[in-house]
Amino acid sequence: DAKTTQPPSMDCAEGRAANLPCNHSTISGNEYVYWYRQIHSQGPQYIIHGLKNNETNEMASLIITEDRKSSTLILPHATLRDTAVYYCIVRSGGSSNTGKLIFGQGTTLQVKP
Amino acid sequence: GAVVSQHPSWVICKSGTSVKIECRSLDFQATTMFWYRQFPKQSLMLMATSNEGSKATYEQGVEKDKFLINHASLTLSTLTVTSAHPEDSSFYICSARSDRYTEAFFGQGTRLTVV
Repeated sequence: DAKTTQPPSMDCAEGRAANLPCNHSTISGNEYVYWYRQIHSQGPQYIIHGLKNNETNEMASLIITEDRKSSTLILPHATLRDTAVYYCIVRSGGSSNTGKLIFGQGTTLQVKP
Repeated sequence: GAVVSQHPSWVICKSGTSVKIECRSLDFQATTMFWYRQFPKQSLMLMATSNEGSKATYEQGVEKDKFLINHASLTLSTLTVTSAHPEDSSFYICSARSDRYTEAFFGQGTRLTVV
């Protein structure tokens, strides 16, 4: 699975949009981009995933560049409860998908009042 | 999303004893379960992958005789830390997936402290 690069930390004002970038320049054609977050002392929580089209759900939006070498997770109106470590993970899909997730260091998002 | 439950949430044990952690998928059948370990201020590290009814596959550097994994049913996997030492103190997290979902779901984690 391709490696990802994320900034170690970011701040965001409460109520504003939080834009979390992720670089995955070695991503291959059948690899998906997954986002999870981990609030302190809890298990990771699934947020969203995508292959090449932009995706949106009740939690966030995922914008994937046309060349798929980078993506951005957008939390449209960040709240204090969104303070967490956000992980961007690239994982293969299809029949080769074992479901195994390899976590990098992630981005610690601090939402401030 | 689906629900994965771990038990216990925290445990304190004496050095040399064994501790069992349970991971259950509550509303789906998990064909595959994963066990992770997380030390303070570090990311999750995958320890092993288990498929129902077969032996677990351990990641490099993880001692299979120390961390016993059993995945006896489609809804339950257990991790037993044998002869625990203080350096085994960590946050242990399981995740589960099925063919029904593309994403994996995580338990709430178990904080193990060995004294």
